[in-house]
Amino acid sequence: DAGITQSPRHKVTETGTPVTLRCHQTENHRYMYWYRQDPGHGLRLIHYSYGVKDTDKGEVSDGYSVSRSKTEDFLLTLESATSSQTSVYFCAISEGAGVMKNIQYFGAGTRLSVL
Amino acid sequence: AQKVTQAQTEISVVEKEDVTLDCVYETRDTTYYLFWYKQPPSGELVFLIRRNSFDEQNEISGRYSWNFQKSTSSFNFTITASQVVDSAVYFCALSEPGAGANSKLTFGKGITLSVRP
Repeated sequence: DAGITQSPRHKVTETGTPVTLRCHQTENHRYMYWYRQDPGHGLRLIHYSYGVKDTDKGEVSDGYSVSRSKTEDFLLTLESATSSQTSVYFCAISEGAGVMKNIQYFGAGTRLSVL
Repeated sequence: AQKVTQAQTEISVVEKEDVTLDCVYETRDTTYYLFWYKQPPSGELVFLIRRNSFDEQNEISGRYSWNFQKSTSSFNFTITASQVVDSAVYFCALSEPGAGANSKLTFGKGITLSVRP
């Protein structure tokens, strides 16, 4: 158990509303990631963080923003949700050194439906 | 650009059959990591293995084995004597760039394995 909690686990929202998903970790990992999973696409990276207030864009970052004001929390915000953002969102953590280097461990996922 | 191809989308076998899941990757890096993850019907993603590009030894863990061949850019996964509990989606992934400290992962699209009793 990598100590990752995603909240909420399920959410239904309406088009145009802002949505924030939270990823919380308890083991002080440096790197955190947000992915979305869609049928036929596998997992695609949205944003990632390599430290407090250090974030960068991934492959599918349009329409999403992130913040990491403390080590344990990485927030993903959909500024104005659209139906194309209906997906399952996964948070992951990793370490940059040691025997566990580059292995990403995932949270349980958040299923988001935008109506 | 990095790319991971899992050409098989769905595989169905009968319990106790052996099954091989294929993974082909593209990278310009000389040092990188390859991974396999399992996603059972419950939805969580479970790490199975990480392989360093310098280590081409095959690995066996119980009924699972992995065949890494740099010459063909392949990292195939074999399940011996499959069981119903092996039913899942299996993802192959490649670190990018290389094997640096902040490497991200490029995932294949996944292979859905169904094991019938």
